[in-house]
Amino acid sequence: NAGVTQTPKFQVLKTGQSMTLQCAQDMNHNSMYWYRQDPGMGLRLIYYSASEGTTDKGEVPNGYNVSRLNKREFSLRLESAAPSQTSVYFCASARLLDNQPQHFGDGTRLSIL
Amino acid sequence: GQQLNQSPQSMFIQEGEDVSMNCTSSSIFNTWLWYKQDPGEGPVLLIALYKAGELTSNGRLTAQFGITRKDSFLNISASIPSDVGIYFCAGQGGSEKLVFGKGTKLTVNP
Repeated sequence: NAGVTQTPKFQVLKTGQSMTLQCAQDMNHNSMYWYRQDPGMGLRLIYYSASEGTTDKGEVPNGYNVSRLNKREFSLRLESAAPSQTSVYFCASARLLDNQPQHFGDGTRLSIL
Repeated sequence: GQQLNQSPQSMFIQEGEDVSMNCTSSSIFNTWLWYKQDPGEGPVLLIALYKAGELTSNGRLTAQFGITRKDSFLNISASIPSDVGIYFCAGQGGSEKLVFGKGTKLTVNP
């Protein structure tokens, strides 16, 4: 089935470890996004990529880096994980950047001890 | 930046009852979206609204784009147990990125 695929689904890290979260979409969408979801906070945008070759900061980019590897794939990297980055991370994609519904993956549940 | 206020935060209803929830923004939006999130899954788009005053239905769900362009409403008629989940509104205006409400958690008692 077409959609957004995230790996891994679960991960536990120790403080200071690094990790890359993977995301791929097969809908030929141009725009891709990374969000984090914390209890009571809703979804907050970390980084987004309007099109292949471009990336921009969202609301909460500190402590993260991203790579738009090609049109299908958009990865999120934590260089030195901190307990405050314990969260559920969602990747999403949209056909275009503006006024387009976003389609979400099922999330990566990340715990940092 | 743009902010959304979604209410209520949670609802406990009996099966068969109708449900209403809403979102208000501090600024004008060009797009309103409504998503549902089931436990352990990502949000799934329910309804998209692109025009002030627009009223759109998807089965038992009906959403409206407020005429002031600062609010949107979602109604669920004749609720059933599988309606349980968290409902999110999201809005976008101008060149701003999509912003999400904090969600309404719906519990349906059989």
